Amino acid sequence: DGGITQSPKYLFRKEGQNVTLSCEQNLNHDAMYWYRQDPGQGLRLIYYSQIVNDFQKGDIAEGYSVSREKKESFPLTVTSAQKNPTAFYLCASSMRRQGFNQPQHFGDGTRLSIL
Amino acid sequence: GDSVTQMEGPVTLSEEAFLTINCTYTATGYPSLFWYVQYPGEGLQLLLKATKADDKGSNKGFEATYRKETTSFHLEKGSVQVSDSAVYFCALSLIQGAQKLVFGQGTRLTINP
Repeated sequence: DGGITQSPKYLFRKEGQNVTLSCEQNLNHDAMYWYRQDPGQGLRLIYYSQIVNDFQKGDIAEGYSVSREKKESFPLTVTSAQKNPTAFYLCASSMRRQGFNQPQHFGDGTRLSIL
Repeated sequence: GDSVTQMEGPVTLSEEAFLTINCTYTATGYPSLFWYVQYPGEGLQLLLKATKADDKGSNKGFEATYRKETTSFHLEKGSVQVSDSAVYFCALSLIQGAQKLVFGQGTRLTINP
């Protein structure tokens, strides 16, 4: 079955550490996205990528970095510069079709906590 | 800027009750509108969508109609089940070369047997 796989499901970070969250999709989607979800709040966009080797900052990119070397993969690194990293992180993907808004498909998320 | 406002939760209903979750939006263009559902510990799943005014999206007994005159996209279901307990998110997307979803804050729904 096609889908989006995020790993790990739970991740713990020590102060001052960088950690990388994995996101892989086999839906052949061009566009991929990273969101952050805090309790009782909606999702906020961190980074997105429309094609391989290209990505743009979302609304809350500070303290995060991404890469898009392969169509299937869009890893997110939470750097030590992100002062409040504890959150639920969701990866999504969608087709790109000019003039149409295709729905985004989501993974099951990674919950990051600070030790 | 573009934004989505949902009715605040939590919402608690009895099984077989009628459900309405209000959603209104502000957008500079002509957005597509979506409802997503999130079950505990999981990601979001698309529930339904509407891409132009007066469109009605429907799925699993849920419905929502794109009302341009009131900038609304209220979610309704005639008879809810315990399995409908989840968090529901309203979202909009504008065609700007990149699909960027703007989400409401989510409404937690609990259905009691």
